[in-house]
Amino acid sequence: QKEVEQNSGPLSVPEGAIASLNCTYSDRGSQSFFWYRQYSGKSPELIMSIYSNGDKEDGRFTAQLNKASQYVSLLIRDSQPSDSATYLCAVNKNNYGQNFVFGPGTRLSVLP
Amino acid sequence: DAGVTQSPTHLIKTRGQHVTLRCSPISGHKSVSWYQQVLGQGPQFIFQYYEKEERGRGNFPDRFSARQFPNYSSELNVNALLLGDSALYLCASSPSGPNTGELFFGEGSRLTVL
Repeated sequence: QKEVEQNSGPLSVPEGAIASLNCTYSDRGSQSFFWYRQYSGKSPELIMSIYSNGDKEDGRFTAQLNKASQYVSLLIRDSQPSDSATYLCAVNKNNYGQNFVFGPGTRLSVLP
Repeated sequence: DAGVTQSPTHLIKTRGQHVTLRCSPISGHKSVSWYQQVLGQGPQFIFQYYEKEERGRGNFPDRFSARQFPNYSSELNVNALLLGDSALYLCASSPSGPNTGELFFGEGSRLTVL
């Protein structure tokens, strides 16, 4: 079992729809969870961080965390073509430092 | 405010050579981490330094080494380059303590080994 798993996609949604991205992790002791967006040829850009169970909203983005089920999700409301990118889920599994384990990413395509 | 800066942005080396990649963190950030990203995969952790102390090392061979300087900038060195070392090398800094907070990435150094 990989440490952080995501559907590779591509996930295609029409403009204006809700895009739902999912991520599962294996280390039950993980405490910090992050979503990054990466455009082709660019570096990852932080979208959201979440540390507690439940939902966290920031503009059109909502992160959801369920530690009991070991999954993290990202909802993008009113999807725009500019949201087309690869979305990376990351988990910090190191209590002594920052050892982020990234999933392989889900490629999202928002169709105009 | 300047983000994380990395140099060089692109470089081409041949097998067996050595490479040094440099990183300057966001002002005020004391933690610097290095990641390797191969095409089509998520970034993979190489090293983390906080206050010049190594806080973590990923599953990479001893050919990879790093250090952090008193001004919190960092270098990643890779010796005896292999074709498989071709990747995007990302530096990230963090504003928080050694084991908390978010990572902010630079634009990366794209290494091609021929």
